[in-house]
Amino acid sequence: DIQMTQSPSFVSASVGDRVTITCRASQGLSSSLVWYQQKPGKAPKLLIYATSSLQSGVPSRFSGGGSGTEFTLTISSLQPEDFATYYCQQGNSLPVTFGGGTKVEMK
Amino acid sequence: QVQLVESGGGVVQPGMSLRLSCAPSGYTFSSYGMHWVRQAPGKGLEWVAAIWFDGSKRDHADSVKGRFTISRDNSKNTLYLQMNSLRAEDAAVYYCVRDPGTQFFYFDYWGQGTLVTVSS
Repeated sequence: DIQMTQSPSFVSASVGDRVTITCRASQGLSSSLVWYQQKPGKAPKLLIYATSSLQSGVPSRFSGGGSGTEFTLTISSLQPEDFATYYCQQGNSLPVTFGGGTKVEMK
Repeated sequence: QVQLVESGGGVVQPGMSLRLSCAPSGYTFSSYGMHWVRQAPGKGLEWVAAIWFDGSKRDHADSVKGRFTISRDNSKNTLYLQMNSLRAEDAAVYYCVRDPGTQFFYFDYWGQGTLVTVSS
């Protein structure tokens, strides 16, 4: 199974900050990296697929990048509605595996 | 618009069985692969099972293999998860999710989730 490791586990940030979350895979991925946002009590929401493709309706302040085993999610200017937990996921092969999550909290 | 509505969750004793259902709407169900993903209280996301659009292939996580079975009835537009021999560690919110069917596995639509509690 492909192991996914996210860092950091927690981010304390302010509105307007640039936030970057990293996801590392235990083996190389073929651009199959996905990012989700989850707010308390809600289902996860797809943000980015295929490493850098923005899902329809997702604001352009979100961007994804990387290749091989290291990937990033960047929020260019944090907005109040962005305080949430973010998960990466590899879709290269079954079993699908998720990172442990990064909680973005208000400083 | 696409909607996925899960049902069937509840409180069960260890060793008992439960069947979850998912009723998608707003798209052609029989054209898409489907999965179940779960989330234990306060924990991260865990993939549980997948089934191909036509039901021809299915796969399950090692943690549930031999106890859980994913299935679908395209004539009834319904996805199922039969859960047998439930354990305390199976307690979670179970999400029904759609796979858009590209070369990679990922989930573009999620249901609201149904809570399974396993307790004696």
